[in-house]
Amino acid sequence: QVQLVESGGGVVQPGRSLRLSCAASGFTFSTYGMHWVRQAPGKGLECVALISSAGTIKYYGDSVKGRFTISRDNSKNTLFLQMNSLRGEDTAVYYCAKNRRPVAAMDEVSDYWGQGTLVTVSS
Amino acid sequence: DIQMTQSPSSLSASVGDRVTITCRASQGISNYLAWFQQKPGKAPKSLIYAASSLQSGVPSKFSGSGSGTDFTLTISSLQPEDFATYYCQQYNTYPFTFGGGTKVEIK
Repeated sequence: QVQLVESGGGVVQPGRSLRLSCAASGFTFSTYGMHWVRQAPGKGLECVALISSAGTIKYYGDSVKGRFTISRDNSKNTLFLQMNSLRGEDTAVYYCAKNRRPVAAMDEVSDYWGQGTLVTVSS
Repeated sequence: DIQMTQSPSSLSASVGDRVTITCRASQGISNYLAWFQQKPGKAPKSLIYAASSLQSGVPSKFSGSGSGTDFTLTISSLQPEDFATYYCQQYNTYPFTFGGGTKVEIK
């Protein structure tokens, strides 16, 4: 069965960096686009980044553009999110999610989500 | 960015009730609309994609409709396990955006 397990969250000071990982299993990782979505405490959902199956196309949400980088290692079935210049408003649970279909198109919905990892930006 | 407006933001309903949640996009998104259910402390769960297609394993009491800018999610007979927060999401244009959520509570 599909499993997505995020890790790497924690408490970090403003301005510092953090790298999140998402270990995937139960599907052919290299053929699916992947997402990072976050949820601030008590708030709604916000798309952070999207990467194509081959890692050649990347999209970012406006609030993280230029600070966050999405990447993937298809040989290790792992998705990453490098977060630099972190701010208090980046405090959230970060989820990784897979596309529903192994298609090249980027306008594809997510289906399975991981359990999330909490990032807290605070001095 | 495309704005997604959900209504109501919360509702109280009884077991067995029929519940309808609406979602409006700030511009046309064809049928690139999904619905998710989230329970406290858990990840969102996909219910519906392409406005009206049920995700595998999701019970048929959930249904979706709409196209363009106006969409609805209907739960035909509310059960205790359905009390949760529901979000719509457009995936027509990145950044994909979510509605503010509708919290369905027990009356």
